[in-house]
Amino acid sequence: EVQLVESGGGLVQPGRSLKLSCAASGFTFSNYYMAWVRQAPKKGLEWVATISTSGSRTYYPDSVKGRFTISRDNAKSSLYLQMNSLKSEDTATYYCARHDRVGAWWFAYWGQGTLVTVSS
Amino acid sequence: EIVLTQSPTTMAASPGEKVTLTCRASSSVSYMHWYQQRSGTSPKLWIYETSKLASGVPNRFSGSGSGTSYSLTINSMETEDAATYYCQQGSSYPPTFGSGTKLEIK
Repeated sequence: EVQLVESGGGLVQPGRSLKLSCAASGFTFSNYYMAWVRQAPKKGLEWVATISTSGSRTYYPDSVKGRFTISRDNAKSSLYLQMNSLKSEDTATYYCARHDRVGAWWFAYWGQGTLVTVSS
Repeated sequence: EIVLTQSPTTMAASPGEKVTLTCRASSSVSYMHWYQQRSGTSPKLWIYETSKLASGVPNRFSGSGSGTSYSLTINSMETEDAATYYCQQGSSYPPTFGSGTKLEIK
């Protein structure tokens, strides 16, 4: 059974940093692109970042490019999101998600999410 | 960036009723994917590549469409289908989501 378990969320002040983690199990982690998708309170879904199987390629929307960094450790089956210069509009539940397969830009499995609140 | 517009924003259906949700893209896309999100839970892949049902999805659900117009249809509404449904395109970078249709049971 595929499991994705996020951690690291919490309350953080504007301008500060936070690092999220996602522990994956139930599949061969190194074979799949991985992603972060967020959902602001009572709002819709927004793709935040994707990383290739080896970690050599990363993808971001303009809204987080230059502030967020996605990374992975295939030996630990873990995904990370380093978030810097946080803004109030980054307040959201952050989901770790697995792409369906290499080259497929849809998300087959999702974690339960971790809430990040950016507020002073 | 391709903008996806879902309609209606909210709707209610009676058990047994046929339901159709629509997603329109600002430019042509090759496929559309759909997610179901029940209240308080994380999204689940529901339909991928326009018409393929994800594992465990009841066959009363179907998906169709092409170009800029796509739809998700429930043949006969059931209580457990009450949820918000999001469409998503991955044909054009960056991947984008629609704003969702909240489907309630009457």
